[in-house]
Amino acid sequence: DIQMTQSPSSLSASVGDRVTISCRASQTINNYLNWYQQKPGSAPKLLIYAASSLQSGVPSRFSGSGSGTDFTLTISSLQPEDFATYYCQQTYSNFATFGQGTKVDVK
Amino acid sequence: QVTLRESGPALMKPTQTLTLTCSFSGFSLTTSGLCVSWIRQPPGKALEWLARIDWDDGKYYSTSLKTRLTISKDTSKNQVVLTMTNMDPLDTATYYCARVISGSDYEIFDYWGQGTLVTVSS
Repeated sequence: DIQMTQSPSSLSASVGDRVTISCRASQTINNYLNWYQQKPGSAPKLLIYAASSLQSGVPSRFSGSGSGTDFTLTISSLQPEDFATYYCQQTYSNFATFGQGTKVDVK
Repeated sequence: QVTLRESGPALMKPTQTLTLTCSFSGFSLTTSGLCVSWIRQPPGKALEWLARIDWDDGKYYSTSLKTRLTISKDTSKNQVVLTMTNMDPLDTATYYCARVISGSDYEIFDYWGQGTLVTVSS
């Protein structure tokens, strides 16, 4: 199975900060990389798909980059509603796998 | 409007078989490129993909759980059913179903149910 490793596992940030989360795949996954946001008690929400495409309705402060094995999610200016846990996911194989998550909390 | 809703038992005993139903609306599993996946999340832990069923009845299972899982669909009822045998307390989790769109160069889980918490305890 393809393993997904996120870093950091958690980070503390302030409103207005630029936040970057990394995700590494154990083998090349081309651009089959998605990012989700999850808030406590809620289902995950799709933010970015195909590594860099913004899902409809998602604010433009969210962006994704990368290809092959290394990917990045960037929040350009953190907003109060962005404090949450973020997951990367590969769908290159028929057996999707998620990263372990990155929790973004208030500094 | 796409919606999905999971249903199943809230409490189970070890060794029992779990049956979960995902009832959905706003799309059909007869449409090419559409699939439904099951994902679970133990309390305070990460998401874990379990299984997927495709519009053409293709079925895929987590490598680590494949001996315990069975996924099926009833297109007339717009339902997908997941069974998991030999439940253990470590299977305590919120179980989600999600719609999957399989495109030419992407695959996304774009709509999710609200999840159902299954607790396994003797």
